[in-house]
Amino acid sequence: AQSVAQPEDQVNVAEGNPLTVKCTYSVSGNPYLFWYVQYPNRGLQFLLKYITGDNLVKGSYGFEAEFNKSQTSFHLKKPSALVSDSALYFCAVRDNNDMRFGAGTRLTVKP
Amino acid sequence: DGGITQSPKYLFRKEGQNVTLSCEQNLNHDAMYWYRQDPGQGLRLIYYSQIVNDFQKGDIAEGYSVSREKKESFPLTVTSAQKNPTAFYLCASKPVGDIQSYGYTFGSGTRLTVV
Repeated sequence: AQSVAQPEDQVNVAEGNPLTVKCTYSVSGNPYLFWYVQYPNRGLQFLLKYITGDNLVKGSYGFEAEFNKSQTSFHLKKPSALVSDSALYFCAVRDNNDMRFGAGTRLTVKP
Repeated sequence: DGGITQSPKYLFRKEGQNVTLSCEQNLNHDAMYWYRQDPGQGLRLIYYSQIVNDFQKGDIAEGYSVSREKKESFPLTVTSAQKNPTAFYLCASKPVGDIQSYGYTFGSGTRLTVV
């Protein structure tokens, strides 16, 4: 079965600094990878996806993610963090008719 | 606007009581999903449905039941057999067969608490 792992429960960065939220995957075949963001007491919102093509994927709110096949990683990045980016971030992978989610990483951006 | 509506936003259940969480979508999506979210555990799949009048168990279906009588509706019943139902429940949908889609569209969730 396909799976993803988010090795960090919590990431703290200062506003204006670059941020990285890590995700590694384990799949058979070509991976279909996603990043979602969740604000308190809300559903998940789509940020970006990798299906095929360029390894650098650009998404919503200035986020981007780099697909690295050799390292089986799909890390989420942003050049300059905002306090409003503070939220829970989920990496996910398509698995037949379902989507498998990581445990989530809580990002805190401090002023 | 198209989207998924979950109700109620907050729900309190007494011991031994069944409760039903509503999920309605007007996106014309074929597939619908129910997830349970607990702190530090991410999302776990309870049930999903690819088509009307058909549904499949997910990873943690015990103590839950669903129905799919209409394309736009996928209610989840938390039965008294579910021993630890306190959690945040998320409903999602997507078009069937569209692997190039934006993944899932999620509702805003229902927070269920046992009192």
